Amino acid sequence: TQLLEQSPQFLSIQEGENLTVYCNSSSVFSSLQWYRQEPGEGPVLLVTVVTGGEVKKLKRLTFQFGDARKDSSLHITAAQPGDTGLYLCARHTSGGYNKLIFGAGTRLAVHP
Amino acid sequence: DVKVTQSSRYLVKRTGEKVFLECVQDMDHENMFWYRQDPGLGLRLIYFSYDVKMKEKGDIPEGYSVSREKKERFSLILESASTNQTSMYLCASSKQGAEQPQHFGDGTRLSIL
Repeated sequence: TQLLEQSPQFLSIQEGENLTVYCNSSSVFSSLQWYRQEPGEGPVLLVTVVTGGEVKKLKRLTFQFGDARKDSSLHITAAQPGDTGLYLCARHTSGGYNKLIFGAGTRLAVHP
Repeated sequence: DVKVTQSSRYLVKRTGEKVFLECVQDMDHENMFWYRQDPGLGLRLIYFSYDVKMKEKGDIPEGYSVSREKKERFSLILESASTNQTSMYLCASSKQGAEQPQHFGDGTRLSIL
């Protein structure tokens, strides 16, 4: 299966807390993208991870690609209300045309 | 910056109507996509296009059709709208090539009464 499972489905935290969200698959994928969708807007790409074991940082966000390339995580340090949104992971399908399969997402709410 | 523009943010239509959703991108991207987004289901691909007049079915094409007469414009058509097509519709575009990001519009929230 090419399905992507994201957990948790919902997360509600206070400003300043740390959190981790996960994206898992039973099959290996060549790369993984993380998108954030803010209320009322379309998803926006945060990062693409390609190499097993890769770690990428984007300010307070740390993205990790599992060694076996079946899973990925997103860690946010000292969450801010501006981090509120839906976090989606996505992988490319085989067959070209740059098609993506998305997970169902983790909806994060950060309260002041 | 890439700009993907969807013609309407909100749309209310009646059952049985023919509905057109329009999407325009300004970065000369080859690929364009239509998704619907429902709570708990993520984004599901309806149709995509990799060139003018070329189209391919996605995962949930039933009840929909598409048109791409110009490279920058990709239209989604609901032939006879039904209540189960009430959803958020998102358009995206991307360059050809491996692992290119998709650039999304802000979505059209469609209600079918």
